[in-house]
Amino acid sequence: DQQVKQNSPSLSVQEGRISILNCDYTNSMFDYFLWYKKYPAEGPTFLISISSIKDKNEDGRFTVFLNKSAKHLSLHIVPSQPGDSAVYFCAAPSNSGNTPLVFGKGTRLSVIA
Amino acid sequence: GAGVSQSPSNKVTEKGKDVELRCDPISGHTALYWYRQSLGQGLEFLIYFQGNSAPDKSGLPSDRFSAERTGGSVSTLTIQRTQQEDSAVYLCASTPTGAAYGYTFGSGTRLTVV
Repeated sequence: DQQVKQNSPSLSVQEGRISILNCDYTNSMFDYFLWYKKYPAEGPTFLISISSIKDKNEDGRFTVFLNKSAKHLSLHIVPSQPGDSAVYFCAAPSNSGNTPLVFGKGTRLSVIA
Repeated sequence: GAGVSQSPSNKVTEKGKDVELRCDPISGHTALYWYRQSLGQGLEFLIYFQGNSAPDKSGLPSDRFSAERTGGSVSTLTIQRTQQEDSAVYLCASTPTGAAYGYTFGSGTRLTVV
């Protein structure tokens, strides 16, 4: 059973528009969430995170929103750029405050110029 | 080195053969993880080493899989009697202390079993 779910395998967005990537989780004990970005033939790299005591965290063009009651988080990228084209993974620590991380299946974002 | 290094970057092997995949973590990082990504799947946790503690092997899919970490540094993931379903990208990551943030991944080893 997947504890972290990304139900959209792919997303296409025009350059300059907003990209919204979604993630749902089942474990209400999760207290920290992370987004990773992966380019082909490279390892995932950390993008942004959010603690469960917050409902929003912003870093430049990237904002993550957390809705604990819905067990849902989303990553907003605005404005989207062609260099944002990558696979985005949502992740959470499998135990409170500890690792290893549990990852979703990822969403492939294509930003079209 | 500056990052996590994995070798080989690509490996093609015949079904039934054994393979060894290597991971050099960032110097000083006490925690090391192995994950794999099969086609169309997310990152699947395999095994986790933290300092001198016994490794967390809860993610290993079968007894054909094993891993060791020598001297708290380099790790080797061994797959015995490889099967086609073992084909995947095997990723290694390390962190300074084992905290959830701070994962640095290597570029992975793409294993193809033919």
